[in-house]
Amino acid sequence: GNSVTQMEGPVTLSEEAFLTINCTYTATGYPSLFWYVQYPGEGLQLLLKATKADDKGSNKGFEATYRKETTSFHLEKGSVQVSDSAVYFCALRTQGGSEKLVFGKGTKLTVNP
Amino acid sequence: KAGVTQTPRYLIKTRGQQVTLSCSPISGHRSVSWYQQTPGQGLQFLFEYFSETQRNKGNFPGRFSGRQFSNSRSEMNVSTLELGDSALYLCASSSIGENTEAFFGQGTRLTVV
Repeated sequence: GNSVTQMEGPVTLSEEAFLTINCTYTATGYPSLFWYVQYPGEGLQLLLKATKADDKGSNKGFEATYRKETTSFHLEKGSVQVSDSAVYFCALRTQGGSEKLVFGKGTKLTVNP
Repeated sequence: KAGVTQTPRYLIKTRGQQVTLSCSPISGHRSVSWYQQTPGQGLQFLFEYFSETQRNKGNFPGRFSGRQFSNSRSEMNVSTLELGDSALYLCASSSIGENTEAFFGQGTRLTVV
């Protein structure tokens, strides 16, 4: 079946450090890929997305590239801020019309000043 | 425009009771999905509704049910509550198409005692 595997946390970084959160997926066909962020006490917010191979999604300094050959969608940011502290979820949506999302387990990021 | 609204935000119920959660999607969105979020299992898909029809269902017991009304508002119901049903229940709404994205509400925190 369809699944998403992302690196387990927690991840603790100092401000201005480089961030990578790994995400790989298993799916039939050509899924759309997403990164969502969840701040404490909140729902999920879409951070970025990519809908086809080699697409790069970007937002607020975060980037992720859809790599079909390695079935990966790693999240990166060059210089994290304290305000980036949150839980990050990688997700996929398969083709076929359904809006169902399959999520990874989430990675908690803490950025210290 | 207004985001996805879930009510209530917090709920405490006793084992054996039933509960109904409500979700009002973004205006114009006709697809509504529900997810259960727990520390152990992460985010798990419950069901998806589109135009008052259940389009997809996750692997949950029959105690979990839902429906969608003609104005796209959705409710989910859990009967005969168990302690393990304690979770954050998230609703997401989306329009339909290949490049759409899901917008999440802030969730309903259900505690079963």
